[in-house]
Amino acid sequence: GAGVSQSPRYKVAKRGQDVALRCDPISGHVSLFWYQQALGQGPEFLTYFQNEAQLDKSGLPSDRFFAERPEGSVSTLKIQRTQQEDSAVYLCASSYPGLVNEKLFFGSGTQLSVL
Amino acid sequence: KQEVTQIPAALSVPEGENLVLNCSFTDSAIYNLQWFRQDPGKGLTSLLLIQSSQREQTSGRLNASLDKSSGRSTLYIAASQPGDSATYLCAVWGYGQNFVFGPGTRLSVLP
Repeated sequence: GAGVSQSPRYKVAKRGQDVALRCDPISGHVSLFWYQQALGQGPEFLTYFQNEAQLDKSGLPSDRFFAERPEGSVSTLKIQRTQQEDSAVYLCASSYPGLVNEKLFFGSGTQLSVL
Repeated sequence: KQEVTQIPAALSVPEGENLVLNCSFTDSAIYNLQWFRQDPGKGLTSLLLIQSSQREQTSGRLNASLDKSSGRSTLYIAASQPGDSATYLCAVWGYGQNFVFGPGTRLSVLP
């Protein structure tokens, strides 16, 4: 595709529900990142994949958060037993071919509201 | 742990002014620094990437400088336009880390 695609665009969940957020990176992009952005703040790193390997998950705030990228393309961020503090915009980004000197391309994000 | 700050938090200027946005980071061991633009309800768009060995990058009316030793970067916007209104974020990629973002500067350019 032309850019990074995220779905759904908006998600409303009742506290305690599980949610799954999807990211379709730019075709061929090796690196994929998930970020969490609270209102009025900069994005906070959650996790990073290189192809299907999750190389860094140090930013995941709790064991309720889980991310996967089984075939090295589409990624899913799953949040179990959602809490109100999980309300935020979840951003996905991808880059290619390398890592440190390549621009990141971001999706429009999924805005999660937990009631 | 890398920390990134941005000054000012918000800025409102009349159209046509030149302006400077500031970014500071605490750990100078970085691979690169990127400036991003974020429009309301949208994702981030990369504007400029400065590698650690570079001093500045230019794209159109935008110029970004990097002083790694002092932990500072500036984004210079020439002849500002209402379409430049957005939040501008800087992010650094450090050794053994992922991108660490600043909180952003919210820019309003008034017609």
